Amino acid sequence: GEDVEQSLFLSVREGDSSVINCTYTDSSSTYLYWYKQEPGAGLQLLTYIFSNMDMKQDQRLTVLLNKKDKHLSLRIADTQTGDSAIYFCAESNAGGTSYGKLTFGQGTILTVHP
Amino acid sequence: ETGVTQTPRHLVMGMTNKKSLKCEQHLGHNAMYWYKQSAKKPLELMFVYNFKEQTENNSVPSRFSPECPNSSHLFLHLHTLQPEDSALYLCASSQDRAGRVGRQYFGPGTRLTVT
Repeated sequence: GEDVEQSLFLSVREGDSSVINCTYTDSSSTYLYWYKQEPGAGLQLLTYIFSNMDMKQDQRLTVLLNKKDKHLSLRIADTQTGDSAIYFCAESNAGGTSYGKLTFGQGTILTVHP
Repeated sequence: ETGVTQTPRHLVMGMTNKKSLKCEQHLGHNAMYWYKQSAKKPLELMFVYNFKEQTENNSVPSRFSPECPNSSHLFLHLHTLQPEDSALYLCASSQDRAGRVGRQYFGPGTRLTVT
């Protein structure tokens, strides 16, 4: 079945850039997503990228997709303490019995130090 | 505020109790989901409802029983749970399974502790 892997922890200093990496196995993934979960809250969609794109930028967020290597990354520029959260990578595909189903990674805990 | 609410936010129950978790979405969506989030596992999809019909049951034990009376409400009925069922239970909704794939809106979750 599909599998999504992320490193579990990332620690950065305020003002630096953060890069969170993700690998996935499903070559038929159609969309790839980054969700953010703050303490005591549900998941919030941050951004997503369609599989025929290789980059998407949205303010401080840059998503890079290497479809050949099945590697997705999220770069947060000028990281702030408010960015401390768990970041989940997820993928879905538009075909077959998995249509619309999201497969999540384990989440990366981002800690931002002042 | 995502437009998806869950009650209660916290629940402690014994293994012989019966309780229910409630989810409500105010977004006009047609698909609703239950997920289980444990400390040491990735987010696990439990059930999917699309237009009130259950379309997916990910081999969930029968001690978890979902109910979707209409497109805005989703329940998870719990009975004779085990301590390993302690987790954060998240509800989500999306336009529908054929809509903008993956754009799911999550509630804040119910933190369940089984004693």
